[in-house]
Amino acid sequence: NAGVTQTPKFQVLKTGQSMTLQCAQDMNHEYMSWYRQDPGMGLRLIHYSVGAGITDQGEVPNGYNVSRSTTEDFPLRLLSAAPSQTSVYFCASSYKNTEAFFGQGTRLTVV
Amino acid sequence: AQKITQTQPGMFVQEKEAVTLDCTYDTSDPSYGLFWYKQPSSGEMIFLIYQGSYDQQNATEGRYSLNFQKARKSANLVISASQLGDSAMYFCAMRTDSWGKLQFGAGTQVVVTP
Repeated sequence: NAGVTQTPKFQVLKTGQSMTLQCAQDMNHEYMSWYRQDPGMGLRLIHYSVGAGITDQGEVPNGYNVSRSTTEDFPLRLLSAAPSQTSVYFCASSYKNTEAFFGQGTRLTVV
Repeated sequence: AQKITQTQPGMFVQEKEAVTLDCTYDTSDPSYGLFWYKQPSSGEMIFLIYQGSYDQQNATEGRYSLNFQKARKSANLVISASQLGDSAMYFCAMRTDSWGKLQFGAGTQVVVTP
């Protein structure tokens, strides 16, 4: 059982570069979301999707884009990386009204 | 505004003892869910236990139980018979929509000592 798979696990970017964090789930979950984790702040919601073709903003969406063309995939795009985006990023998926399953996380450093 | 508060940044507990992790929440929605997740030093997020706002009984999962006091808006996690492997960061989270948007507390770091 793969569950939720995130790639890459680690990434270093230079300020201004763009990149895409990949997230795939094989549980046919309708709901997928992206969070960032910063020290002392828990996890904060960036963007989420309730199904293919439907996305919406979370608490901290600025600087990030998402799309959901299939049920399985929910990539997160950083348009122009900034040092403030240095964080650990988690993708999660769930059925309606059930617990969220998280990927292993991506540790991103922007220099 | 919805909010989750974990007031204990860190705590030590001796092996085999019980530990209670505090979580208070604030929401005006009558329907919500409360979750606890464990994050060991390896970084993954592990689901522990869930309590729905309409559940009449406190949730239990093995050594984990949730002390749900709705009037006080608290959802404390109790870990019985602590083990060294319980050393981790613990997060309380609340879901208030019908899908899966979670709001997390800042977490409590638990260290279990021999």
